Amino acid sequence: DTGVSQDPRHKITKRGQNVTFRCDPISEHNRLYWYRQTLGQGPEFLTYFQNEAQLEKSRLLSDRFSAERPKGSFSTLEIQRTEQGDSAMYLCASSSNVGARVEKLFFGSGTQLSVL
Amino acid sequence: SQQGEEDPQALSIQEGENATMNCSYKTSINNLQWYRQNSGRGLVHLILIRSNEREKHSGRLRVTLDTSKKSSSLLITASRAADTASYFCPLSGYALNFGKGTSLLVTP
Repeated sequence: DTGVSQDPRHKITKRGQNVTFRCDPISEHNRLYWYRQTLGQGPEFLTYFQNEAQLEKSRLLSDRFSAERPKGSFSTLEIQRTEQGDSAMYLCASSSNVGARVEKLFFGSGTQLSVL
Repeated sequence: SQQGEEDPQALSIQEGENATMNCSYKTSINNLQWYRQNSGRGLVHLILIRSNEREKHSGRLRVTLDTSKKSSSLLITASRAADTASYFCPLSGYALNFGKGTSLLVTP
């Protein structure tokens, strides 16, 4: 595998619609992360998985956001009833961590969401 | 969660010059990492320095760590236009916690 893949690269949607993004991590990586990034800011942590278990979610994460990682492979991030404030780059990253503290993360190119 | 804070926010230099950016933090750390992000792209890991290391090199990159001052620096020597990017020094917990980064512009 050459890296972390995200699909789609760009998504334009109308306010109130639901959207779903997909992330395919590097195949042997056990941890998968979702981040959100707006212009001029650093990536903001949303949630992460260790294999298929979702271990942490940001307190800033609205109930409209849900993520899954069935079978510990690819992951999906769904946003329901999108709002204009959801417009951002959504980044996925993976790592082959064994310790509690994450070390090197491999990032995908991101999905740019625009909510009109 | 604690995060590294990069300084300056923006830096503009000419090709061939060296670029230095700094990172400060407030907690104890096991390691500190530097990442680069080209415009509109994902982040790329550059280097990781552990708390018992003082300096590390990778190609044109030199990273220092001073745990007594809770600070790190990233030096890019002989910069190129392709080094134009944002640079981050996230702290490690169960996730990486990012600051706003330093935006570096290298002009020909």
